[in-house]
Formats: sequence, structure tokens, C-alpha cells
Amino acid sequence: GQQVMQIPQYQHVQEGEDFTTYCNSSTTLSNIQWYKQRPGGHPVFLIQLVKSGEVKKQKRLTFQFGEAKKNSSLHITATQTTDVGTYFCAKGGKLIFGQGTELSVKP
Amino acid sequence: DTAVSQTPKYLVTQMGNDKSIKCEQNLGHDTMYWYKQDSKKFLKIMFSYNNKELIINETVPNRFSPKSPDKAHLNLHINSLELGDSAVYFCASSHGQGNEQFFGPGTRLTVL
Repeated sequence: GQQVMQIPQYQHVQEGEDFTTYCNSSTTLSNIQWYKQRPGGHPVFLIQLVKSGEVKKQKRLTFQFGEAKKNSSLHITATQTTDVGTYFCAKGGKLIFGQGTELSVKP
Repeated sequence: DTAVSQTPKYLVTQMGNDKSIKCEQNLGHDTMYWYKQDSKKFLKIMFSYNNKELIINETVPNRFSPKSPDKAHLNLHINSLELGDSAVYFCASSHGQGNEQFFGPGTRLTVL
């Protein structure tokens, strides 16, 4: 079926270290969305990428969409404890979510 | 004002019971969704309604029946609850299908 694979499943970092989560699809994506879910909370929309090779930044967060529109990444520079949560990518259209990457940050 | 609200927040019930979860959005969106998030945090779409019409109906047991009385509401009724139905259920809405979604706070369902 149309799946979106996301890795890693878990990432534990020391505060100040960088973090990256990757999202891969076997089919070309029309667009990809990223969401963040804090522990005990609900998913919150971060960004949508549409164009091939697109790069968008939100403060310490950098989102990339691959040239072939089959993969995407979210990179966080110098993590803070407020970055803790699960980050999901989601295939646009039917909104199929990846498995999520759970980030924990040790102060 | 809460954009997407769900009631109840917690629901504990016995196997075999029937229960409903309500969802309302005040964003003026035309599309609403129900998701199930299991203990491994996997978020799976169950249903999607656009302008009160069902447009996505994933492989879920027919014990689950969504109802959309108007564009601002999408309720979920579950018959004959089973242990495996225990999960967090999220309602969401968007302007158009597949666009940025706004999620409700979730309903944690526990079936005993």
C-alpha cells in the first residue's frame, strides 16, 4: 500500500546536539507535511513542502523535500528540552502518516 | 476559543458497550477526520468527511460509524466495544482534503 517510512523510531540526544528525522516514500509525493506531538498532546502542524528540492526553515528547524519528491527530512539544530515530542511526516492528499520519530532531550 | 474540540476527553467502559465521541470545529473548515492512535503512537486515518459526505473510509470494523450532522461536527459511534479498541482517538479538520490539519485534544478510550 501507500506507505511512508520514517526513521529513526527513537532518538535520544543531549541538549545542544542536532537531530534529524527522515521520511521516505516508494511513490512520488504531491506534497509532504510535518507535525509535532508533545507528550500527552495532539499533533500540531509544522509545515507543508510542495516543490521538488524545497528547503524551508523555522528558526532552528530545517525542512527539506527531495529532488524526486520521494523523501523529506526535518533537522533541528542545537536541540532544546522544548523540542521533546514525536515528529511525524505525512503524505499529502490522503494524509498517511509515518510512524513518527520520538525525540527525547537530556538537559 | 478552542478550534477543534472533542468530548469526552477520557472514556472508560466495559467490553460490549456502545459509546460515542463528539467532535466540533469552529474554523469554518469543510473537511473533518477521525484518527486512531495506538499505544505505539501510530496515527491511522479512519474516516474523512467533506461537506458532510464520506470521502475516506479506511478498513475499520463496521462497528465504527461516523456521523456528520453538519460541516462543523463529526461524531464517532462505536458499537460492541472490544479490548483492541483502546486507543486515543483524534478528530481533525482542514480546509480542503489533505491540507494543513488542526487536531482536537484527543479522546483516550479504555475498554476493560
